[in-house]
Amino acid sequence: DTAVSQTPKYLVTQMGNDKSIKCEQNLGHDTMYWYKQDSKKFLKIMFSYNNKELIINETVPNRFSPKSPDKAHLNLHINSLELGDSAVYFCASSSSGQGSGYTFGSGTRLTVV
Amino acid sequence: AQSVTQLGSHVSVSEGALVLLRCNYSSSVPPYLFWYVQYPNQGLQLLLKYTSAATLVKGINGFEAEFKKSETSFHLTKPSAHMSDAAEYFCAVSDPDSGGYQKVTFGTGTKLQVIP
Repeated sequence: DTAVSQTPKYLVTQMGNDKSIKCEQNLGHDTMYWYKQDSKKFLKIMFSYNNKELIINETVPNRFSPKSPDKAHLNLHINSLELGDSAVYFCASSSSGQGSGYTFGSGTRLTVV
Repeated sequence: AQSVTQLGSHVSVSEGALVLLRCNYSSSVPPYLFWYVQYPNQGLQLLLKYTSAATLVKGINGFEAEFKKSETSFHLTKPSAHMSDAAEYFCAVSDPDSGGYQKVTFGTGTKLQVIP
């Protein structure tokens, strides 16, 4: 049973479209995250939710909107997709507090053409 | 803000040789430090973590890392490389000033190549 699952695994879409990525965790963690990994493998945090409350909101275009219906789910909706949005998006979860580390999903490779 | 610097974007070792991947951190307070591994087309997997208990931390797959405050380092080692160790390795630090929540900042990664 996958601990952190993301769907879809691959997403190819045209510029200007709107798309969503879904994430679910069955670990009972309180906190979930979205990270973006670019073509050079650099990982940058985008958002974090703790028990459905937004706690980290980095400098991300407002075309990106996260939603957490409950603490086990965190979705990412992207409006008006641009070429520069092409990347691998990772969902992760952790227990609250420092030092426990993250459990990552397997990623969603988004390609905007 | 906390940060980590990984020295060497690519490291090549022969199978059976020592693996040494370097990481230095910048932190004004005692940090939490992590090493993650990413195999091709997969997510990141936690190898080990330092949380201010023992300075020598043992992880999965025979890896270990030593926290050295005087050198602000947290280098990852493995005595004998296997072909299956070929992957991207990320050092990371948790920011203690993130309001009690984890906010992990990753290094730029080191790609480990193992030569038969």
